[in-house]
Amino acid sequence: SSELTQDPAVSVALGQTVRITCQGDSLRNNYAGWYQKKPGQAPLLVFYGKNKRPSGIPDRFSGSSSGDTSSLTITGAQAEDEADYYCNSRDNPFNHIIFGGGTRLTVL
Amino acid sequence: QVHLVQSGAEEKKPGASVKVSCETSRDTFIMYALHWVRQAPGQSLEWMGWIITGNGNTKYSEKFQSRISITRDTSTSTAYMELSSLTSDDTAIYYCARTYPYDEDFDYWGQGTLVTVSS
Repeated sequence: SSELTQDPAVSVALGQTVRITCQGDSLRNNYAGWYQKKPGQAPLLVFYGKNKRPSGIPDRFSGSSSGDTSSLTITGAQAEDEADYYCNSRDNPFNHIIFGGGTRLTVL
Repeated sequence: QVHLVQSGAEEKKPGASVKVSCETSRDTFIMYALHWVRQAPGQSLEWMGWIITGNGNTKYSEKFQSRISITRDTSTSTAYMELSSLTSDDTAIYYCARTYPYDEDFDYWGQGTLVTVSS
């Protein structure tokens, strides 16, 4: 089966822009979903599909993709954005679902 | 208001089985798929399998294929995940989460159920 690779940790200064990436062969044919995970809370979907943001998610969260890499961009990071971020996608042809290893975002 | 309400924490001995429930609304039960995803301490999220609660179809991760069963109770709009032959490596928080059938975008999650496996 395929794998999704994320950088383990990324930091950003308050109010600046940060990009979190996710790389894997499955992303050549599938869009990534992005989840924010804070301690003690369930994951929260923040971006998915070609250009979809769930209701209630701030528009500072956006996504993009190119080739085998998908990215989540936070424009003007806030203190409350400090969390672990996970990408996921379908794993063709098995029709399974895979997650990346997660990126810990620190807002300085 | 969408709700996915899971059963409470469990403590099990190695070799035992655990069954976790996820109760939801009738609309979600009829129209969506319910998945089980777990997170072991310090680890990433790990997809285990799904059930299309409207018709009972299931699909499991190859990793858990031999010891997982996901079922449903249509009378109570509840899905269940049973995992057998537990080891300490199965200590994790187990989540149920919702997608459209055959989709992979989890838009709502249960609150999580801590399963601890220890002798």
